[in-house]
Amino acid sequence: AQKVTQAQTEISVVEKEDVTLDCVYETRDTTYYLFWYKQPPSGELVFLIRRNSFDEQNEISGRYSWNFQKSTSSFNFTITASQVVDSAVYFCALSGPDRDDKIIFGKGTRLHILP
Amino acid sequence: DTAVSQTPKYLVTQMGNDKSIKCEQNLGHDTMYWYKQDSKKFLKIMFSYNNKELIINETVPNRFSPKSPDKAHLNLHINSLELGDSAVYFCASSHIETQYFGPGTRLLVL
Repeated sequence: AQKVTQAQTEISVVEKEDVTLDCVYETRDTTYYLFWYKQPPSGELVFLIRRNSFDEQNEISGRYSWNFQKSTSSFNFTITASQVVDSAVYFCALSGPDRDDKIIFGKGTRLHILP
Repeated sequence: DTAVSQTPKYLVTQMGNDKSIKCEQNLGHDTMYWYKQDSKKFLKIMFSYNNKELIINETVPNRFSPKSPDKAHLNLHINSLELGDSAVYFCASSHIETQYFGPGTRLLVL
């Protein structure tokens, strides 16, 4: 069975601090995809990144970076120099390789960036 | 231009009513989805269609019926609304693995 665990329910940090959101997954598939989505207070779901299970390179996009480690089944997300606009609920998600595979979402981590 | 759009954005209705939510995507994607997000922000897939064919049908009451007139549209009809149906409903579409979501429809059943 597939499972995504975001153990941090809620995190608060002061603006400009770095913050890491943890994501641990379980799957029996050898090929799978991992995702991060952002849900700001306005409610929409914004796609941030997709990572293929065969690509363990870390990714950096501006102040965002992702650390994918198959050995620990983790796909952590770090925001550097956080800003108030980063306040949101962040979801980690997992899907299998096939068209019929569902995306399984974690329960989300609510991130508060305090001014 | 909005990639995935949903109407209405807000829906307030009485228990027992029937309502529909419409979804349209202009991304040329083959697959569309409906998700329900509860008050605790938990996101759960309800249905998935690929080229108008139902491919995922989770354990959802049969009061919920999706309809896909073409691959750019996936509507959700809900019969006999119940209090527990109050939630945010998201439509999404995908071409390969990445799903892009609509803005959500906030349904409140009184």
